Amino acid sequence: KAGVTQTPRYLIKTRGQQVTLSCSPISGHRSVSWYQQTPGQGLQFLFEYFSETQRNKGNFPGRFSGRQFSNSRSEMNVSTLELGDSALYLCASSLSPDNQPQHFGDGTRLSIL
Amino acid sequence: AQKITQTQPGMFVQEKEAVTLDCTYDTSDPSYGLFWYKQPSSGEMIFLIYQGSYDQQNATEGRYSLNFQKARKSANLVISASQLGDSAMYFCAMRDGGNTPLVFGKGTRLSVIA
Repeated sequence: KAGVTQTPRYLIKTRGQQVTLSCSPISGHRSVSWYQQTPGQGLQFLFEYFSETQRNKGNFPGRFSGRQFSNSRSEMNVSTLELGDSALYLCASSLSPDNQPQHFGDGTRLSIL
Repeated sequence: AQKITQTQPGMFVQEKEAVTLDCTYDTSDPSYGLFWYKQPSSGEMIFLIYQGSYDQQNATEGRYSLNFQKARKSANLVISASQLGDSAMYFCAMRDGGNTPLVFGKGTRLSVIA
């Protein structure tokens, strides 16, 4: 069974640009969550989607947005990139948004120059 | 609000020895789930073990076991017979029964010494 697939693996952008990250969950998983990981802040929750609906949103500015498609694939978008957005972005999927283990992708490492 | 605390920034253990990684949590919800994840230097997060708040027995998965002490609100991870490949960051996480996301602790970096 294929795991969670995140694309791209690495991305280099400059300040002010925008970026779209993609996540394909494990087949059959309908819940997708996104996290930002930085050395200073650790793992911070961004969004959670289930059946194309956003269930939860973390404490991030409106520049961070996301969506989930009918096939459960998810994208997140960051506009007007800032240096502080440099991070590892992790996507996780689970069968449902309750106490089911979340399984993570390898992440997208975003660097802002 | 739910909260996870991991007080050990770093731990060392000799190969083949057992090690305990500490995790305490705080929630007012009687229904919650506790998770442990491993993150090697390559970056991927690997699910290790799960304990539900109503589970009567401590969870075990191979060399991993969870020492769940509900009254103390602790969920320590025990790794038996440590291997060099166990060197990684370990994160404790919790999700309670409400419409809340999974919350992670700051992690413990485990180094296994030959």
